Amino acid sequence: DIQMTQSPSSLSASVGDRVTITCQASQDISNYLNWYQQKPGKAPKLLIYDASNLETGVPSRFSGSGSGTDFTFTISSLQPEDIATYYCQQYDNLPLAFGQGTKLEIK
Amino acid sequence: QVQLQESGPGLVKPSETLSLTCAVSGYSISSGYYWGWIRQPPGKGLEWIGSIYHSGSTYYNPSLKSRVTISVDTSKNQFSLKLSSVTAADTAVYYCARRLKVAAAGRDYFDYWGQGTLVTVSS
Repeated sequence: DIQMTQSPSSLSASVGDRVTITCQASQDISNYLNWYQQKPGKAPKLLIYDASNLETGVPSRFSGSGSGTDFTFTISSLQPEDIATYYCQQYDNLPLAFGQGTKLEIK
Repeated sequence: QVQLQESGPGLVKPSETLSLTCAVSGYSISSGYYWGWIRQPPGKGLEWIGSIYHSGSTYYNPSLKSRVTISVDTSKNQFSLKLSSVTAADTAVYYCARRLKVAAAGRDYFDYWGQGTLVTVSS
């Protein structure tokens, strides 16, 4: 099975900051990676698919990059409504697997 | 607008079978797509349980495969999850979701989710 490792596990930043989260796969997954945002008490929401494609309706301050085993998720200018936990998810092989999550808080 | 809604008991006794149903509106399951279950233990991350294609083909997480059954009822436009021999470790919020998979385009993601339902395993 493919293991997904995110870092950091938690992150505190100020409004307007650039925020970066990394996700590492245990083997090459090409660009078969998604990013989801989950707010407390809510279901996850797709933000980025195929490593770098922005889902329709998602603000352009969110972006993703990477391929192979190393991926990056970036918020260019943190907004208060971005407070959430973010998950990467690989779909190169079954079983589908999520990273352990990165909890983002406002400083 | 596609909507999914989970339903089922919120409390299940250890060793019994957890049964949940996901009712889909705004889209006919028989028209296509995969449909899946994902769970999240309190305070923890997301775990894929399995998926079913509209035709009935199933795909399960090997970690749960011996205990999981996912089925679809196109006449009722819903799909279901059964997890047998539950323990406290199966306590979680269970989500149903639509899985868009377009192999030719290299896309595979969960685009619509239910609100989730908490299932507690306790005597």
